[in-house]
Amino acid sequence: EVQLVESGGGLVQPGRSLKLSCAASGFTFSNYYMAWVRQAPTKGLEWVASITNSGGSTYYRDSVKGRFTISRDNAKSTLYLQMDSLRSEDTATYYCTRVEYYFDYWGQGVMVTVSS
Amino acid sequence: DIQMTQSPASLSASLEEIVTITCQASQDIGNWLSWYQQKPGKSPQLLIYGATSLADGVPSRFSGSRSGTQYSLKISRLQVEDIGIYYCLQAYSAPYTFGAGTKLELK
Repeated sequence: EVQLVESGGGLVQPGRSLKLSCAASGFTFSNYYMAWVRQAPTKGLEWVASITNSGGSTYYRDSVKGRFTISRDNAKSTLYLQMDSLRSEDTATYYCTRVEYYFDYWGQGVMVTVSS
Repeated sequence: DIQMTQSPASLSASLEEIVTITCQASQDIGNWLSWYQQKPGKSPQLLIYGATSLADGVPSRFSGSRSGTQYSLKISRLQVEDIGIYYCLQAYSAPYTFGAGTKLELK
C-alpha cells in the first residue's frame, strides 16, 4: 500500500524557516517524480514544486522561487521542502504527492501557519 | 502560464442526477489533464487521468472526456458520497495549474 506521511509543520514567524518532510512507503521511491501541493485555508489547490526521480532537476512556482527548496533522499525514501523567508501568504496545508503526469497518491497534509 | 478555467464554481444536484463539470485550457495541453475529488477535511483523490482514464478503485459512474481544449468530468448518477469539491489539473507544462474548483452539493 502506497503511503505518504508529511511532518514538520507548525506555527512560524514571518521571515523564518521551516523544513517539511514526507516519508514514502509501499513503492520504489527512486522511480518516481514527487511534488508538493498546497492549499490555503478555504482556498483551492496550488502546485508548489516538483523534483525528478534522481533529484537532478527541480521546478518551482514563481512565488516560491529562491525561497523554497525541494529535495529528496532516495536511500531514506523521503521528500523534503525547505521553506525560507516565509510570508503570511505561505500559510497553507502542504501535501506531498507522487507524480505520474498526474498526482496519483497524496499524503494527509501538514499545516504551516506563518504569523507573528 | 497555462490557465485552467473551471465551471461551474458551485453546483447543486439531486441524487441519481447527471452532473457535468468542465475545464477550459488556455492552450493545447493534449491529454495531460486529470480530475480530483476532495471531501471536507481530506486530501484530494485522483479520479481521472489522461483526460479519459479512470483511476483504480473509482466508480464507473465517473467519466472524463475531451473536445479540443475543453475537458469534462461527468458523474452519471450522483450518489451521496460524491459530495465534495472537484478540481482539474493540467500537467502539460510547469507551472502545473489547477482549476479553481467546483463545489458539488446535494439539492
